[in-house]
Amino acid sequence: SYELTQPPSVSVSPGQTARITCSGDALPTLYVHWYRQRPGQAPVLLIYKDNERPSGIPERFSGSTSGTTATLTMHAVQAEDEADYYCQSADNSGTYVFGTGTKVSVL
Amino acid sequence: QVQLVESGGGVVQPGGSLRLSCEASGFTFSTYGMFWVRQGPGKGLEWVAVNSFEGSKKFYSDSVKGRFTISRDNSKNTLHLQMDSLRPEDTALYYCARAYCNENACTDALDLWGQGTMVTVSS
Repeated sequence: SYELTQPPSVSVSPGQTARITCSGDALPTLYVHWYRQRPGQAPVLLIYKDNERPSGIPERFSGSTSGTTATLTMHAVQAEDEADYYCQSADNSGTYVFGTGTKVSVL
Repeated sequence: QVQLVESGGGVVQPGGSLRLSCEASGFTFSTYGMFWVRQGPGKGLEWVAVNSFEGSKKFYSDSVKGRFTISRDNSKNTLHLQMDSLRPEDTALYYCARAYCNENACTDALDLWGQGTMVTVSS
């Protein structure tokens, strides 16, 4: 199997931009998806296939990849963005992996 | 209403068994791949198992392979997870989730999640 590593925490001020990275040796050949999980709630899909947004997700959320690192960018961060964020990928052998998770604090 | 509702969680002793169910509504269940994902207390998300839309393909994480079995009944819009030989480390909130599909194709992302059912393995 493979691993996806995220920073444990990211702090950001309201209105600023937050960036969360997801690193993994297998990423150059795999798609990355991103989720937000607020306390006590189920995860919500924010970004799929590296940089696509499902309907209903604001444009201030975007995704990108470069080599072995994927990045979730959140512009104009709001208090409601305080949550845990996870990346996720899947290989063609049917193995799915979630990243280690990043807690975003809006200070 | 498009939703997934899990049930079947509870407290079980180590070595015991439990069967989780996930009832789907509001969408054509038989056309979606379905997943079980768990989250231990204070921990991150962990993929457990996936079942293809027609039920023939099943994949498991190494941590549950040989102990858990995923299955589905498309006639009843229901997904199951049979959990045997349970261990304390299986203690978690178990989510049922759906593969994300748009007008073009289905992906490996998960776009619809239930609220989870709690499984506690303890003596």
